[in-house]
Amino acid sequence: GDSVTQMEGPVTLSEEAFLTINCTYTATGYPSLFWYVQYPGEGLQLLLKATKADDKGSNKGFEATYRKETTSFHLEKGSVQVSDSAVYFCALPSGAGSYQLTFGKGTKLSVIP
Amino acid sequence: DVKVTQSSRYLVKRTGEKVFLECVQDMDHENMFWYRQDPGLGLRLIYFSYDVKMKEKGDIPEGYSVSREKKERFSLILESASTNQTSMYLCASRLPLGQGHSGIAGELFFGEGSRLTVL
Repeated sequence: GDSVTQMEGPVTLSEEAFLTINCTYTATGYPSLFWYVQYPGEGLQLLLKATKADDKGSNKGFEATYRKETTSFHLEKGSVQVSDSAVYFCALPSGAGSYQLTFGKGTKLSVIP
Repeated sequence: DVKVTQSSRYLVKRTGEKVFLECVQDMDHENMFWYRQDPGLGLRLIYFSYDVKMKEKGDIPEGYSVSREKKERFSLILESASTNQTSMYLCASRLPLGQGHSGIAGELFFGEGSRLTVL
């Protein structure tokens, strides 16, 4: 079935460092792709999305480009802040009618001052 | 603003107890979902509901049931709690696919989670 694989964490970076969290997907066709973020003590919230190949999603300084050639949707940010410390999940629709969202296992990011 | 509210942030129950986790959304969304979140396993779908009185099994429905009597409310029930059900439970809602901006892209709106400990 459709699935996503994201890099294992945890990831620890210094403030202002460059961030990449890798995500690759396996799917029939070209589904929408999502990154969700979970801040400490909170539920998940949508960070960004891309609905077709070559689209770039962006939000809060984060970017991810939907690359069908490499079946990837890597999350990047040029300069991380302490407030970016969170768990990041890659996701795609799955199941009959694409009703479900299948999530990766999550990557915990810690940014230190 | 979109609001998904889960009734309890933290619960401690004993093995064999019946447990109710309540979720209410105020966005008139038709689709609602229950996930559990465990370290190293990410989020796994337990049950979801297309609409009132409708329910579908997700990937790990064993040991759980759900109830959707009203559009805004989706309850997760553990008939006889066991220690392996100790977890974080997350509720989410969404417009049906194809409706509105969020619906087309499938964006889910999550509650803050209910952390259940079964002793």
